[in-house]
Amino acid sequence: DQQVKQNSPSLSVQEGRISILNCDYTNSMFDYFLWYKKYPAEGPTFLISISSIKDKNEDGRFTVFLNKSAKHLSLHIVPSQPGDSAVYFCAASEAGTASKLTFGTGTRLQVTL
Amino acid sequence: DADVTQTPRNRITKTGKRIMLECSQTKGHDRMYWYRQDPGLGLRLIYYSFDVKDINKGEISDGYSVSRQAQAKFSLSLESAIPNQTALYFCATSDYYSNEQFFGPGTRLTVL
Repeated sequence: DQQVKQNSPSLSVQEGRISILNCDYTNSMFDYFLWYKKYPAEGPTFLISISSIKDKNEDGRFTVFLNKSAKHLSLHIVPSQPGDSAVYFCAASEAGTASKLTFGTGTRLQVTL
Repeated sequence: DADVTQTPRNRITKTGKRIMLECSQTKGHDRMYWYRQDPGLGLRLIYYSFDVKDINKGEISDGYSVSRQAQAKFSLSLESAIPNQTALYFCATSDYYSNEQFFGPGTRLTVL
């Protein structure tokens, strides 16, 4: 049972445009959400996170939006750059389980020139 | 120097062999994790440890065992490797106060 779902395996966006990556979850006990970025032959690196008490968190070109009623979050990258081409993983942790994360299946973003 | 290191980076082995993957960290974190990544399945948690005396099974622990030799070292063993354990394996660490995990570069394991 996949508790964190990323339904788009891949996304292609032109440089300078907005990239929107989506993530859905089913476990209502999740209270903290993170996005990780992964380049080939490297481990995932933390990008941005959001607590369930917020609906938006922004860090430079990256913004994460959380819609708790829809159990949906999204990552916006504006403007997209070629160096953003990577696989993006959504992850969630459940209240009371400290830092134990459940990951989505990932979305491969390609930013074209 | 990398904060989380994994050895080996690549390993090819045969069915039935015993394999150990090692993870070391210099971040001073108490918590360590082992994940495997398969195409289309994301990262799945195998085992995790919140301190040297605490070991917990994750989502997919069957066929694996771990050892936390010290705060900085966490090893994953496959006692008798099988082909469906072919995957990319990641070690990660975190501290007590944060949900953020820091990942090593990964070990690509192929079981023939």
